[in-house]
Amino acid sequence: AQSVTQLDSHVSVSEGTPVLLRCNYSSSYSPSLFWYVQHPNKGLQLLLKYTSAATLVKGINGFEAEFKKSETSFHLTKPSAHMSDAAEYFCVVSADSGYSTLTFGKGTMLLVS
Amino acid sequence: DTEVTQTPKHLVMGMTNKKSLKCEQHMGHRAMYWYKQKAKKPPELMFVYSYEKLSINESVPSRFSPECPNSSLLNLHLHALQPEDSALYLCASSLTPGTSGFGSGELFFGEGSRLTVL
Repeated sequence: AQSVTQLDSHVSVSEGTPVLLRCNYSSSYSPSLFWYVQHPNKGLQLLLKYTSAATLVKGINGFEAEFKKSETSFHLTKPSAHMSDAAEYFCVVSADSGYSTLTFGKGTMLLVS
Repeated sequence: DTEVTQTPKHLVMGMTNKKSLKCEQHMGHRAMYWYKQKAKKPPELMFVYSYEKLSINESVPSRFSPECPNSSLLNLHLHALQPEDSALYLCASSLTPGTSGFGSGELFFGEGSRLTVL
């Protein structure tokens, strides 16, 4: 079984300040982890993914995430927020069990002022 | 071409109507998905097609009927829907249906079809 917990339903930051969106996961297998972003009335876009290579993963638009197995975490960060970053962010886990579907976290709404 | 195209973008239908949602991708992906998303919630998986065959049906009511005519197309036929079925319906595709190997687990989403059932 696998699960994802996004620790904050909303995060508010000022433009130009750092962003931290927190995600913890649980998986019986070696997981693949993803962050997706969804802007209002749009589909989901992949920001970055971890698939057992480097633990620090760089994605699009200046985002990055670090896989910490000991803490079962995959937090998303960005050094400096931009107004266009305001969106819903989903942390997603996919178990390496040969065939699986994705498990989505409940989402974190990022507000940028 | 890295797009998943969904039509229509918006659909309003009565409870006795029959309508269809369409999804198309030309990336050579062999897995296609339908998700339902209610406001302020994560997407919920409905169906998975793997190599044009239905491989997962997440106990979806029969008023939703998926169809995969070929590897590039995915349809969702709608009949006798209820107002609670109003939602954003997202189509996605992935290179393979498995979770190992290059591209595993990475989904490409369309922008969705927003359905309102009156």
